[in-house]
Amino acid sequence: GAGVSQSPSNKVTEKGKDVELRCDPISGHTALYWYRQSLGQGLEFLIYFQGNSAPDKSGLPSDRFSAERTGGSVSTLTIQRTQQEDSAVYLCASSSNRAGAHNEQFFGPGTRLTVL
Amino acid sequence: DAKTTQPTSMDCAEGRAANLPCNHSTISGNEYVYWYRQIHSQGPQYIIHGLKNNETNEMASLIITEDRKSSTLILPHATLRDTAVYYCIVRFDTGRRALTFGSGTRLQVQP
Repeated sequence: GAGVSQSPSNKVTEKGKDVELRCDPISGHTALYWYRQSLGQGLEFLIYFQGNSAPDKSGLPSDRFSAERTGGSVSTLTIQRTQQEDSAVYLCASSSNRAGAHNEQFFGPGTRLTVL
Repeated sequence: DAKTTQPTSMDCAEGRAANLPCNHSTISGNEYVYWYRQIHSQGPQYIIHGLKNNETNEMASLIITEDRKSSTLILPHATLRDTAVYYCIVRFDTGRRALTFGSGTRLQVQP
């Protein structure tokens, strides 16, 4: 079946503008993760959704960042009043998260955000 | 999750085995060793994982030392498409939380 998809693939915005990044997880996957990867850096966890539970927002760098997941499927990451340091590749991953089992994370291709 | 140490970069000749080491000396008894890789401009991809025993799948083999303080990922016949950053990740549970990525090993497969 289809893998994790993200849109847009590239986004260029001006400092101070808001942006929305979309993630379509693999159908049936209850867990969804957002990460970001700044130029030359490792991947940094942002937020984690698991079913109907409250999301783990412990990785969000500031209150300008928020995310929602509607209907347990599609997720949107919103960055308000973007700053140049927000420039990065934003990656989404999903997994089935069956209890007691190994749960591989499947990653999307990412959205490259450039803030001018 | 236990901290891991990997070499920054490695080279390997095409067709030869690539052996990527990882040190995880503070690993606890319930922590698994996972390997992911990230090919340029793509999202990370799961390779293999293990707890105590050596593991093999269609992509690679994972050798874990008896004391579990280190492991080696083996790509038996490296190809140019295996050029990527390889991440060794040690984590407690069976995967219900986010992954913690270090800086990984940049493997360059040479023709």
